[in-house]
Amino acid sequence: NAGVMQNPRHLVRRRGQEARLRCSPVKGHSHVYWYRQLPEEGLKFMVYLQKENIIDESGMPKERFSAEFPKEGPSILRIQQVVRGDSAAYFCASSGDSGDIQYFGAGTRLSVL
Amino acid sequence: QQQVKQSPQSLIVQKGGISIINCAYENTAFDYFPWYQQFPGKGPALLIAIRPDVSEKKEGRFTISFNKSAKQFSLHIMDSQPGDSATYFCAARRRGSTLGRLYFGRGTQLTVWP
Repeated sequence: NAGVMQNPRHLVRRRGQEARLRCSPVKGHSHVYWYRQLPEEGLKFMVYLQKENIIDESGMPKERFSAEFPKEGPSILRIQQVVRGDSAAYFCASSGDSGDIQYFGAGTRLSVL
Repeated sequence: QQQVKQSPQSLIVQKGGISIINCAYENTAFDYFPWYQQFPGKGPALLIAIRPDVSEKKEGRFTISFNKSAKQFSLHIMDSQPGDSATYFCAARRRGSTLGRLYFGRGTQLTVWP
């Protein structure tokens, strides 16, 4: 399967712990996007990264959230000191340099107890 | 502020019927409008997309109608099938940002009864 791979699929954390969500883009894609989906809501943009660079982080909370897309390895979305309101499905998408189509992974469902 | 407004929130259609989902936007800088289909437990998958230089685009049973002056676009699913039961999201992207973020509507949960 050469699609976008996200892991873990489900993640349970207690309040105050850290959550790390991983995303491996489609092979050859260098553009990664993270979106958050709350129940009954659409996908909300969080951050757009291109290899080693953050292009647009306007949708990401200023505190506790960070993202990276290193030269080697998957993109990581990190949430520090999680709170119950962070419970959501987090989706990663990737695109090639020609843009247009964003291919989505199956998501990581984060539950904060 | 929701930049793309989608309706209805849920839709129930008889098998063989036409499903219609509507979206509206305010930002005239949007110039790319995709529709995504999402099944439970899965990620969204691109269904069909349109640019404002055409008023309609058809792919199989799926058609996008686009009204630039009204800033509205809609998805029509002809001969709806139970397998079409899913959540549908419209989205938009700004002109000049081929690689930029998508703005999504809140989604429409479609149920097609056999």
